[in-house]
Amino acid sequence: NAGVTQTPKFRILKIGQSMTLQCTQDMNHNYMYWYRQDPGMGLKLIYYSVGAGITDKGEVPNGYNVSRSTTEDFPLRLELAAPSQTSVYFCASSGTPYEQYFGPGTRLTVT
Amino acid sequence: AQSVTQLGSHVSVSEGALVLLRCNYSSSVPPYLFWYVQYPNQGLQLLLKYTSAATLVKGINGFEAEFKKSETSFHLTKPSAHMSDAAEYFCAVRMDSNYQLIWGAGTKLIIKP
Repeated sequence: NAGVTQTPKFRILKIGQSMTLQCTQDMNHNYMYWYRQDPGMGLKLIYYSVGAGITDKGEVPNGYNVSRSTTEDFPLRLELAAPSQTSVYFCASSGTPYEQYFGPGTRLTVT
Repeated sequence: AQSVTQLGSHVSVSEGALVLLRCNYSSSVPPYLFWYVQYPNQGLQLLLKYTSAATLVKGINGFEAEFKKSETSFHLTKPSAHMSDAAEYFCAVRMDSNYQLIWGAGTKLIIKP
């Protein structure tokens, strides 16, 4: 059982470049989330989705976009990368109110 | 609005000593509370959860937490620390209206040999 998978694991971008962080879950969860984690700051919610075709902004959505065309996939798009987007990005999913399952993360550096 | 405060960004204990990681929350309704653990270079893993059943919750790896409504606290404890417990620990509370979680800033647990 793969759970939540994320690709790539690491990426270095130049300022102004774009990229998509992939997230897939095989647990048939309706809820999916994207977080960023910066040292000493905990997790900040970027976007979330309550089901295929439905997405909404979290706490820090600027500079990011998402789509949810299937239950399994929830890609995060960075347009015009900036140094402030250097972070570790986690995707998570949940099927109940009680817990979220996390992927292994993507470490992104923008230089 | 809900919020979560974790006291101490770093906690250092000796191997074999009691581990106590503090979490206080604010919530306008009975909360769902969670502790997650993050080992270096890994994602977060659920340690334990409080969902309005027993106030003393047991989790994995010998950890437990007690929900104290009067103190709005959900502190994490373990009687005897192991070197393998070195990690960052996050407390979270579920938002009232949906499946979002509000996260504390995290506490890094350091185990001294």
